[in-house]
Amino acid sequence: AIRMTQSPSSLSASTGDRVTITCRASQGISSYLAWYQQKPGKAPKLLIYAASTLQSGVPSRFSGSGSGTDFTLTISCLQSEDFATYYCQQYYSYPRTFGQGTKLEIK
Amino acid sequence: EVQLVESGGGLVKPGGSLRLSCAASGFTFSSYSMNWVRQAPGKGLEWVSSISSSSSYIYYADSVKGRFTISRDNAKNSLYLQMNSLRAEDTAVYYCAREGPYYDILTGYPFDYWGQGTLVTVSS
Repeated sequence: AIRMTQSPSSLSASTGDRVTITCRASQGISSYLAWYQQKPGKAPKLLIYAASTLQSGVPSRFSGSGSGTDFTLTISCLQSEDFATYYCQQYYSYPRTFGQGTKLEIK
Repeated sequence: EVQLVESGGGLVKPGGSLRLSCAASGFTFSSYSMNWVRQAPGKGLEWVSSISSSSSYIYYADSVKGRFTISRDNAKNSLYLQMNSLRAEDTAVYYCAREGPYYDILTGYPFDYWGQGTLVTVSS
């Protein structure tokens, strides 16, 4: 199975900050990488797929980059509604695997 | 509007069985692969199983292989997960998730729509 490792596991930031979350795959996955946002008690929401393509309706302050084994999710100007947990996921092969999550908290 | 509504969760004893359902609406269910993803309390997301649009291809996580069975009824726009020999470590919120968007001809796709989840608790 492909292991997905996110860093950091948690992050404190303020509204207006720019933050970056990193995801590393244990083997190459081309651009078969998605990012999800999850708020407490809610289902995950797809933010980015194909490593860098914004899902319809997602604000442009979210962006993704990377290919192969190293990927990043950047939020350019944090808004209050962005404080949540973020997961990366590879869909290159089975079993589909997720990173362990990055909890973004208000400083 | 795409909607996925899970049901069938509840409290079950170790070794017991449970069948989850996911009712789909707002899209052509028979055209999409579907998945089950679970989340143990306070933990991260774990993919459980996938089924292709015509049920030709089925995949399971090693942690549930041989105990869980995924199926679908395209005439009823429904996805199912039969869970047998349940263990305490199967306790989780179970989400059904649609595979998509189909943005290219690929071997895999992300999960673009998720249900609200149904809680399964395995405890004596």
